[in-house]
Amino acid sequence: DIQMTQSPSFLSAFVGDRVTINCKASQNINRYLNWYQQKLGEAPKLLIYNINSLQTGIPSRFSGSGSGTDFTLTISSLQPEDVATYFCLQHKNWWTFGGGTRLEMK
Amino acid sequence: VQLVESGGGLVQPGKSLKLSCSASGFTFSSYGMHWIRQAPGKGLDWVAYISSSGGSVYADAVKGRFTLSRDTAENTLYLQLNSLKSEDTAIYYCARMMEYYFDYWGQGVMVTVSS
Repeated sequence: DIQMTQSPSFLSAFVGDRVTINCKASQNINRYLNWYQQKLGEAPKLLIYNINSLQTGIPSRFSGSGSGTDFTLTISSLQPEDVATYFCLQHKNWWTFGGGTRLEMK
Repeated sequence: VQLVESGGGLVQPGKSLKLSCSASGFTFSSYGMHWIRQAPGKGLDWVAYISSSGGSVYADAVKGRFTLSRDTAENTLYLQLNSLKSEDTAIYYCARMMEYYFDYWGQGVMVTVSS
């Protein structure tokens, strides 16, 4: 099984800050890495698929990068509506998720 | 695209429950569908997948106890949960399959297994 280790588990930042969240896979997952956002009480929303492809309708301040085993979600300028939990998903070999990052505003 | 789960609740260990996921806004018959769950305070775990043609696969933790089905006339996905255990307590989400990942999710339904 492929394990996904996500960090940090909690993050607090100011409006306008650049924020990065990381996921590390236990083995090479090529491009099969997605990022999701989940706001309290809402359905998870796909932000980024296949490392760096922005889902339709997602603001361009969200971006993804990385390769092989190490991946990063970046929010270039944090907005109040970005308060949420973010998690990664590998879909190379079945499906496993990172543990999640709870993002709050300072 | 909209996915709406229902059928959750409190159930005793060893009993059964049937979850539904009502789909709208897309051609349901053309897409594979998944169930994913999240236990309280835990991360997300994939549970089961059914293809557009009806073939299904399950996570080891639920194999032999859970059964997926779909009704294309009703645009509804079902998950039959049998022989429930306390460790099945979770929010259950249905999600649509796009390529090899999930693109749209429902808001989830809570299943609590407790005596």
